[in-house]
Amino acid sequence: DAGVTQSPTHLIKTRGQHVTLRCSPISGHKSVSWYQQVLGQGPQFIFQYYEKEERGRGNFPDRFSARQFPNYSSELNVNALLLGDSALYLCASRMGLSTDTQYFGPGTRLTVL
Amino acid sequence: AQKVTQAQTEISVVEKEDVTLDCVYETRDTTYYLFWYKQPPSGELVFLIRRNSFDEQNEISGRYSWNFQKSTSSFNFTITASQVVDSAVYFCALLRGGNNDMRFGAGTRLTVKP
Repeated sequence: DAGVTQSPTHLIKTRGQHVTLRCSPISGHKSVSWYQQVLGQGPQFIFQYYEKEERGRGNFPDRFSARQFPNYSSELNVNALLLGDSALYLCASRMGLSTDTQYFGPGTRLTVL
Repeated sequence: AQKVTQAQTEISVVEKEDVTLDCVYETRDTTYYLFWYKQPPSGELVFLIRRNSFDEQNEISGRYSWNFQKSTSSFNFTITASQVVDSAVYFCALLRGGNNDMRFGAGTRLTVKP
């Protein structure tokens, strides 16, 4: 079975631009979460979506937004990019809402110049 | 508040040595879940184990074993007879029951030298 997939693998943007990252969950999983992992640190929770509704939000500015589609895939959007947004963005899926085990995708490495 | 501390930033061992990665957590909840993930250079977080707060049984899976002690709020991970392929960054994580914000430690970079 296919795992969590993310696209693109790498992305280079300049300050002020916006970016859209995409994630497809494991088949049968209805929940998608997004994490930001800055180099040398552990992942930090950004959003969780379940059944197309936002179910949780971490401590990130409004420049970060996301949505989930009827097929349970998800997009993470970041506007007005800052240098500090450079990171590995990880998507994770799980079957249910909260305590099921999360499985992570390979991530999208975003570099902001 | 919930917090995960992995005090060991980097560990280097020689192949076939045993190594223990420490994880200490803080939470006021009685229901919570603890996880270990492995992150190889490719970047993907690979799930290793999940324990809930009501199950303190230690677990062994091949060369991997986990020691969960609520009395000391620790969930340590031991690799027996380490191999070069075990080289990676290992993360301990905490999820509160009914919550969706998984908190990760800063990770421990393990290097296994041949």
